[in-house]
Amino acid sequence: ETGVTQSPTHLIKTRGQQVTLRCSSQSGHNTVSWYQQALGQGPQFIFQYYREEENGRGNFPPRFSGLQFPNYSSELNVNALELDDSALYLCASRARPGSSYEQYFGPGTRLTVT
Amino acid sequence: QKEVEQDPGPLSVPEGAIVSLNCTYSNSAFQYFMWYRQYSRKGPELLMYTYSSGNKEDGRFTAQVDKSSKYISLFIRDSQPSDSATYLCASSRTGNQFYFGTGTSLTVIP
Repeated sequence: ETGVTQSPTHLIKTRGQQVTLRCSSQSGHNTVSWYQQALGQGPQFIFQYYREEENGRGNFPPRFSGLQFPNYSSELNVNALELDDSALYLCASRARPGSSYEQYFGPGTRLTVT
Repeated sequence: QKEVEQDPGPLSVPEGAIVSLNCTYSNSAFQYFMWYRQYSRKGPELLMYTYSSGNKEDGRFTAQVDKSSKYISLFIRDSQPSDSATYLCASSRTGNQFYFGTGTSLTVIP
């Protein structure tokens, strides 16, 4: 088991609503990345936070936003939910940007949008 | 064209077989290559990490990267039923934003 935790485990939302997902990074890790994994697909990079600043973003619209806190925990916020947002949302932490050999994923939050 | 292509399988092998999993990538600037294992309803678990070209071995697992052909491989020797999972390859230029394949579903039959 990695030291990365995510909450909640599952949730169900209605189209148009907003959702906040949370991630606690492994101890000593100051960099957090968020990924979206649709059913039967590989994870897709949403964005990365390093020391409370976004320092990389994938091809996702602005309604996907995030925060990183001084303790390096992180939130992913999604506004105006769409049916296609239904997926497993994964966060991954590492000691610093670019230290890819020690990127550890959490168990994910499964979001269902109805 | 997707950045990383991976045959989704499914792949089914008898216990003890050698398993070969493969991916191709399109961006010649990629230099970080990873293999993850993902069990059902779990997060991906890092298996192997390779920087640039070459081979890397860890126990029953061997990762190969051929940058001339943009080909990534993972070999599993003496496969076990516990190896049954989805295997994801991933590549990156900077070591930050990773591009994943769709995953190959592997079943090892006792």
